[in-house]
Amino acid sequence: SQQGEEDPQALSIQEGENATMNCSYKTSINNLQWYRQNSGRGLVHLILIRSNEREKHSGRLRVTLDTSKKSSSLLITASRAADTASYFCATHTGGFKTIFGAGTRLFVKA
Amino acid sequence: DTEVTQTPKHLVMGMTNKKSLKCEQHMGHRAMYWYKQKAKKPPELMFVYSYEKLSINESVPSRFSPECPNSSLLNLHLHALQPEDSALYLCASSQALAETQYFGPGTRLLVL
Repeated sequence: SQQGEEDPQALSIQEGENATMNCSYKTSINNLQWYRQNSGRGLVHLILIRSNEREKHSGRLRVTLDTSKKSSSLLITASRAADTASYFCATHTGGFKTIFGAGTRLFVKA
Repeated sequence: DTEVTQTPKHLVMGMTNKKSLKCEQHMGHRAMYWYKQKAKKPPELMFVYSYEKLSINESVPSRFSPECPNSSLLNLHLHALQPEDSALYLCASSQALAETQYFGPGTRLLVL
């Protein structure tokens, strides 16, 4: 099964609202990353958070990591139609294997 | 140059064909990756190269054969594929293993 599981699977919001996506994983990690993918294209890296970090910000993005609960969340504030995409978390284990979560499909309505 | 390029963008092949997918990066990254992605699914790791040596092979069938001729290039040789191998094949690179990965746009493969 996937190391990272995400919820919700799909999220539909209005422009200007905040979007929160969650990711859970099973084993110890070195770091956790969030990526965005627009309709079947390549993935774009958003944020990397290391296992000794709890929170990170980048523009309208806020990522938290709770290693005790083996979970992470991605918050997109003041969403825009251009944020419509699939969002994936990815974890790296000690063996440097990259495992992607199932992904959340975000749809932002203008 | 912060781009990973992949060729071709689209590929249609029969089950008896031999073809190759190519990936190139000029960021000086020492780790390169191949992923397979089916529609509405996350990318699945296939192979990882670190310093031009195969580091991880995720039990991929031998009809997929990776090659890393130098630190900037990564190939995926395809032979005798099955229709279920139809997918988006993504290449990525990173400064080192487990660091931020930069993805190419992918090659959309259709096996007839």
